[in-house]
Amino acid sequence: SQTIHQWPATLVQPVGSPLSLECTVEGTSNPNLYWYRQAAGRGLQLLFYSVGIGQISSEVPQNLSASRPQDRQFILSSKKLLLSDSGFYLCAWNQATYGYTFGSGTRLTVV
Amino acid sequence: GQSLEQPSEVTAVEGAIVQINCTYQTSGFYGLSWYQQHDGGAPTFLSYNALDGLEETGRFSSFLSRSDSYGYLLLQELQMKDSASYFCAVRAKAAGNKLTFGGGTRVLVKP
Repeated sequence: SQTIHQWPATLVQPVGSPLSLECTVEGTSNPNLYWYRQAAGRGLQLLFYSVGIGQISSEVPQNLSASRPQDRQFILSSKKLLLSDSGFYLCAWNQATYGYTFGSGTRLTVV
Repeated sequence: GQSLEQPSEVTAVEGAIVQINCTYQTSGFYGLSWYQQHDGGAPTFLSYNALDGLEETGRFSSFLSRSDSYGYLLLQELQMKDSASYFCAVRAKAAGNKLTFGGGTRVLVKP
């Protein structure tokens, strides 16, 4: 069966520090991968998506970047965090099915 | 672009029925999905409607009217564990076949 792993679960980082969040999918090949951000009590905002290795599309210009170095690995990064980068970051995957499967999320607080 | 509207909050008692409406604006509509998210957790897929009509899955049902750009999620025989946020999401050609989420409806079930 397919599983998605996302870590860390929580993170507190100072302003100006770098960020690296990792997401891996098991049990499938060539998944579509997504990074979403959710502000407290709000909806999900799509940040990046990828349909294959090295293929990244950005939805919102911002302080973040994404990479897909391997088929089932998706990384969200920042060189210098801003206070506004705080939020709940969710990785998701899908293939031909219409439903997205989300990872457990990373709650990032920038202080 | 795409836009979705759903009520921000609904309160009901155990055993009751709740209907969460979702209206959307998009072009190249493919389908409407519903997701459930408990506090602090990740969204989980509930249903997907591509064609007009009602889809029933246990206590939850989802309806779509493509001509009205409208859908709803029906929660029957409410239980305390149904207290969560519920998101509608549109899959559309205009968004490159990716999901665009509404702001979510917080459902509070009282004893």
